[in-house]
Amino acid sequence: DIVMTQSPDSLAVSLGERATINCKSSQSVLYSSSNKNYLAWYQQKPGQPPKVLIYWASTRESGVPDRFSGSGSGTDFTLTISSLQAEDVAVYYCQQYYSTPYTFGQGTKLEIK
Amino acid sequence: QVQLQESGPGLVKPSETLSLTCTVSGGSISSYYWSWIRQPPGKGLEWIGYIFYIGTTNYNPSLKSRITISVDTSKNQFSLKLSSVTAADTAIYYCAREGGSPHAFDIWGQGTMVTVSS
Repeated sequence: DIVMTQSPDSLAVSLGERATINCKSSQSVLYSSSNKNYLAWYQQKPGQPPKVLIYWASTRESGVPDRFSGSGSGTDFTLTISSLQAEDVAVYYCQQYYSTPYTFGQGTKLEIK
Repeated sequence: QVQLQESGPGLVKPSETLSLTCTVSGGSISSYYWSWIRQPPGKGLEWIGYIFYIGTTNYNPSLKSRITISVDTSKNQFSLKLSSVTAADTAIYYCAREGGSPHAFDIWGQGTMVTVSS
C-alpha cells in the first residue's frame, strides 16, 4: 500500500495569511506515460462529506476559489491557501489514486489563529 | 446534477452483516467507478472498494475477505455488504463517484452513520 503522510497534523493561521499543508507519499504517484501525478486534495467541514479541491496534484476543481493551489510531483506535494478566509476552517486530506488500495493522508486540521 | 444517497440500517449487531445501498440520481450509473469509503468517528478516511457499472470490483485487501460490492444498473444503485462486523466497523459510510479512470472522488453522498453494538 502507498502510505500518505501529511504535515503538520494541525495548523493555526491568521485571517488573510498563507496556509501550507504538506503531503508525502511512500512511493511516487507520478505516472510516467501521462506525466500526471495521481494525487488529490479534499476539504472536509464538520458534519459534511469531503469535497475535492485539487486533482492531478495541481488542477483546481470547478468552482473552487483560486486562493487554493496544489503543487509538487513524485512523492512530495503541497496544498496552499494564499489568503485564509474564515470559511476555510476544515480538515484537509490528500489522497493517492495511483494504485489500489487508494489511500488518504491522516488529515490536517486548519484553524484560525 | 448527479447526487448520491446512502441508505441502510444505522445499527448492526456484532458478527452480523452490514448492508448499505447508494442511489445515484440526476445521472446514469454507467461509465463510472463507484466507491465506498468509511470514516470512524473523529478519524480519517479509509477506501473500502469500488465497482464499475459492468460489475468489475476492486476491494481493499484489509477488508477483502468480508466485502461484497454489487451494482444494479436498472435501479441506478450499488450496494455494500460487510460481514462479521465488530465495533471497529463503526463509522460513517460514504459512497462516492470516481470522476474518471482513475481519478479523484468528485461526487460524495452525505454519508450514513453505522454503529456496531449489541
